[in-house]
Amino acid sequence: SQQGEEDPQALSIQEGENATMNCSYKTSINNLQWYRQNSGRGLVHLILIRSNEREKHSGRLRVTLDTSKKSSSLLITASRAADTASYFCATDAITGANNLFFGTGTRLTVIP
Amino acid sequence: DTAVSQTPKYLVTQMGNDKSIKCEQNLGHDTMYWYKQDSKKFLKIMFSYNNKELIINETVPNRFSPKSPDKAHLNLHINSLELGDSAVYFCASSQGGLAGIYEQYFGPGTRLTVT
Repeated sequence: SQQGEEDPQALSIQEGENATMNCSYKTSINNLQWYRQNSGRGLVHLILIRSNEREKHSGRLRVTLDTSKKSSSLLITASRAADTASYFCATDAITGANNLFFGTGTRLTVIP
Repeated sequence: DTAVSQTPKYLVTQMGNDKSIKCEQNLGHDTMYWYKQDSKKFLKIMFSYNNKELIINETVPNRFSPKSPDKAHLNLHINSLELGDSAVYFCASSQGGLAGIYEQYFGPGTRLTVT
């Protein structure tokens, strides 16, 4: 299965600190996306990084991609209580089914 | 001006019943999806429709059937509901048919509880 795996499963930090979440996947990809899910809500797209990109920024978000290690990281700088949510990586597959494969997510809690 | 909407938000029903969940998107997107999220937050694709044609059909039971009356709607029909069908079901849409290239917009989810 191409399912991604996020690490850690849960992360608790103080407001203002940085949060780093990691994602590993199994087969070659074209693109990797990160999504956020607030409790009881749908997923919201955060950022997409292509397989030929190594790093991408969006506001306080920084995503890296290492295709040789089949891994990605999401860094949230200067965290806020409103960043409390679950974060998922999603990958496509370079061959095979035209799916997005989601991991089980990292549950981030930012303590005010 | 909700982009992707689903109804109902909550659905409680008994085993053996047949139910439907409706989804509508007003983004003009070509592709719509149904996902199932289990109690461990694992999100799995069930179906996707591109221009009213099924382009993905994951190995879900044939009790589940997607129906798309037009490009803006993708409804999910479930027959003979089972306890294991209890989950949160999400509808999503994207601009094109290649899942990895475009960001997906998700609805708020429908929490289905089968008793």
